[in-house]
Amino acid sequence: AQSVTQLGSHVSVSEGALVLLRCNYSSSVPPYLFWYVQYPNQGLQLLLKYTTGATLVKGINGFEAEFKKSETSFHLTKPSAHMSDAAEYFCAVSEGFQKLVFGTGTRLLVSP
Amino acid sequence: EAQVTQNPRYLITVTGKKLTVTCSQNMNHEYMSWYRQDPGLGLRQIYYSMNVEVTDKGDVPEGYKVSRKEKRNFPLILESPSPNQTSLYFCASSPMFLDSTDTQYFGPGTRLTVL
Repeated sequence: AQSVTQLGSHVSVSEGALVLLRCNYSSSVPPYLFWYVQYPNQGLQLLLKYTTGATLVKGINGFEAEFKKSETSFHLTKPSAHMSDAAEYFCAVSEGFQKLVFGTGTRLLVSP
Repeated sequence: EAQVTQNPRYLITVTGKKLTVTCSQNMNHEYMSWYRQDPGLGLRQIYYSMNVEVTDKGDVPEGYKVSRKEKRNFPLILESPSPNQTSLYFCASSPMFLDSTDTQYFGPGTRLTVL
């Protein structure tokens, strides 16, 4: 069965610092991997996704993630944090058929 | 504008009083799904539908019902709400593929409180 582990329920960074949000997954078949962002009082918005092909995936707002099969990881990074990046981030895995399994989320706090 | 809409956005009710949360999408998507979001648990799937008249249970279906009479609408029904159903609910839709997964588009959420 698929599962997702997000390390750290909260991550704090200073504005301009590197953002690293960790995601490890478990899947019995080649997975599809997603990162979603949730801003306060809003629904989830897709940041980026990996299906096949290039393992480094670029998304919106300067975020990117790298699929590492050997490490079963899909960590999300951004070189320089902005105050507007403060939100909750969810990693999700799918084995097809639209079935998504979400991690428990990581709240990113950005301080001036 | 392509979107998923939910109503109401906020609802406070009492135990046992039947309620319906509506969900509608204008993207002609086959797949629709309901999730609940609880602190520390992330999003968990309640029910999903692969097309009209085709629905199935997700991971936490107890206490909920759904129907899919039209492609665009997928209401969530709580016949007898209980306090443990206090949560933030999201509807989502996507195109349906049998061997892959496309992006799911989420509604704005419905915050339900059951007293």
